[in-house]
Amino acid sequence: GAVVSQHPSWVICKSGTSVKIECRSLDFQATTMFWYRQFPKQSLMLMATSNEGSKATYEQGVEKDKFLINHASLTLSTLTVTSAHPEDSSFYICSARAFSSGRWVYEQYFGPGTRLTVT
Amino acid sequence: AQTVTQSQPEMSVQEAETVTLSCTYDTSESNYYLFWYKQPPSRQMILVIRQEAYKQQNATENRFSVNFQKAAKSFSLKISDSQLGDTAMYFCAFMKEYGNKLVFGAGTILRVKS
Repeated sequence: GAVVSQHPSWVICKSGTSVKIECRSLDFQATTMFWYRQFPKQSLMLMATSNEGSKATYEQGVEKDKFLINHASLTLSTLTVTSAHPEDSSFYICSARAFSSGRWVYEQYFGPGTRLTVT
Repeated sequence: AQTVTQSQPEMSVQEAETVTLSCTYDTSESNYYLFWYKQPPSRQMILVIRQEAYKQQNATENRFSVNFQKAAKSFSLKISDSQLGDTAMYFCAFMKEYGNKLVFGAGTILRVKS
């Protein structure tokens, strides 16, 4: 159980276009989802936290208008990179947390990641 | 703010041997959770082991065990009988008891050699 999927796994887009990445919890309801960015051989950098039905909370230095996050349901969150540029090329990972049986499940379950290349 | 430090950027170990990865953290919280995650070349983050700070007993999962020293704020990971499949980047992570966010260390690249 506790599987998180991401789609697509790899996307190439042209500079100036927008790209949407989906994150789905397949077998549990994710009240909170997280979006991370990771450069090669580096740690995960938290970009934002999203709660179902409310606006995302962005980390300092992350452009809200550039990285649009929508957590429309308890199983789906999307990250849209708007007007992408080559410097946005990176590996994007989502994770999800569940609220089950009246208590938080403290563990985060991670998706397999999406490699974004902007040409 | 909490910080997590992994002082070993890269390590290598021979197959079947034992290796220990270091992690220290800084917090003023009394209750919290600590994790070790593995990220193999596929880049899928995999939870290796977790430790609740209120538990004195060190967590163990098959070949993986931790040495949790709360007073010293140290949380090392021991991998016994290392296997080629253990080759990965390992991240130590911290989360407050009622927190939401994981705070990650910089990671340690572990290479298991045959």
